[in-house]
Amino acid sequence: RKEVEQDPGPFNVPEGATVAFNCTYSNSASQSFFWYRQDCRKEPKLLMSVYSSGNEDGRFTAQLNRASQYISLLIRDSKLSDSATYLCVARDAGNMLTFGGGTRLMVKP
Amino acid sequence: ETGVTQSPTHLIKTRGQQVTLRCSSQSGHNTVSWYQQALGQGPQFIFQYYREEENGRGNFPPRFSGLQFPNYSSELNVNALELDDSALYLCASSSRTDQETQYFGPGTRLLVL
Repeated sequence: RKEVEQDPGPFNVPEGATVAFNCTYSNSASQSFFWYRQDCRKEPKLLMSVYSSGNEDGRFTAQLNRASQYISLLIRDSKLSDSATYLCVARDAGNMLTFGGGTRLMVKP
Repeated sequence: ETGVTQSPTHLIKTRGQQVTLRCSSQSGHNTVSWYQQALGQGPQFIFQYYREEENGRGNFPPRFSGLQFPNYSSELNVNALELDDSALYLCASSSRTDQETQYFGPGTRLLVL
């Protein structure tokens, strides 16, 4: 079983749609969590950190449920430019990042 | 741009050969981590260097080794290359006071034939 699991998708959605991605992690000792965005053939870039209280950055909302070991990302009003792979990431106490396999999003006109 | 640079951008090697990949960290960052990303998968942690010493290692064999230099730049060396070593190799730098944020370089794409 992978330490961080994600639905690989692809999620094909029309512009303006709301889309949600989920992720589960198995290491209960994980310290903090992130969503990274990776465009095709590019490096991952930090999208946002994820907190138990939930956090929002514009159209993006992230949520962490430590009891269920579950992380989510909600994207509202999808744009064509949101098309990318979204990587769920857990950081352990030693600062090692464990990435999920990524969820591919394609936003269509 | 993150300020993290990697060289070369692309590389083709044959099985059994050795390769050295290089990474220059962002200014002020003293920690460098290396990741391997196979096609269609998420990055996998190889190891991390802090102050020229290995500071954590993932599930990779000893033929994957590294170095960090006094200017915090780093090298990843892979000996006895195998076909499965074909991947994008990413380095990420961070500061010791803000380990939360790792800044990735553009990666080196390695193809082993």
